[in-house]
Amino acid sequence: QKEVEQDPGPLSVPEGAIVSLNCTYSNSAFQYFMWYRQYSRKGPELLMYTYSSGNKEDGRFTAQVDKSSKYISLFIRDSQPSDSATYLCASRGQGAQKLVFGQGTRLTINP
Amino acid sequence: DAGVIQSPRHEVTEMGQEVTLRCKPISGHDYLFWYRQTMMRGLELLIYFNNNVPIDDSGMPEDRFSAKMPNASFSTLKIQPSEPRDSAVYFCASSLVVMNTEAFFGQGTRLTVV
Repeated sequence: QKEVEQDPGPLSVPEGAIVSLNCTYSNSAFQYFMWYRQYSRKGPELLMYTYSSGNKEDGRFTAQVDKSSKYISLFIRDSQPSDSATYLCASRGQGAQKLVFGQGTRLTINP
Repeated sequence: DAGVIQSPRHEVTEMGQEVTLRCKPISGHDYLFWYRQTMMRGLELLIYFNNNVPIDDSGMPEDRFSAKMPNASFSTLKIQPSEPRDSAVYFCASSLVVMNTEAFFGQGTRLTVV
């Protein structure tokens, strides 16, 4: 079993829809949770960063972590065609620098 | 800062040849990571350095792979001899632990071994 599991999709939704992307993890030591966005033929770029449980909001993006169920979510409101990309969740433990990535979910927003 | 710089962007080589991938991290960052990305396995950590010293190379698939960081501004990942199954996109990333920021990735090197 991978330490971080993510449905690779693909996921296709109409413009303006709310998108929900999810991951599960198995390592109880994970304390930091990230979402990276990767456009085609580009490197991943950090989108959201959360420590421990709770919600974090940044514009149209909300990251949510539920440590009791080991569940990580990213919500995108009012989705735009420019949000079309692969979204990767990642986690690491306290003091650890080794990031463990999910498989990535390919998202397409249709105009 | 120009970000993490990798070269070459694309590499096509024949099986058995030596391949060297290069990375220049963001100035001042003290961690450097090498990742490999494939459709089947996603993004996998190969090795990472702290202050130029290799800390964890457990992700290096075989002895054919080696990585060095001779100074704070340069790292190489070498594959010798290369095989078709090494075809992937190789990413370099760097981070600064003091500010508790996360890794910044380069644009990647797309390697094709024929």
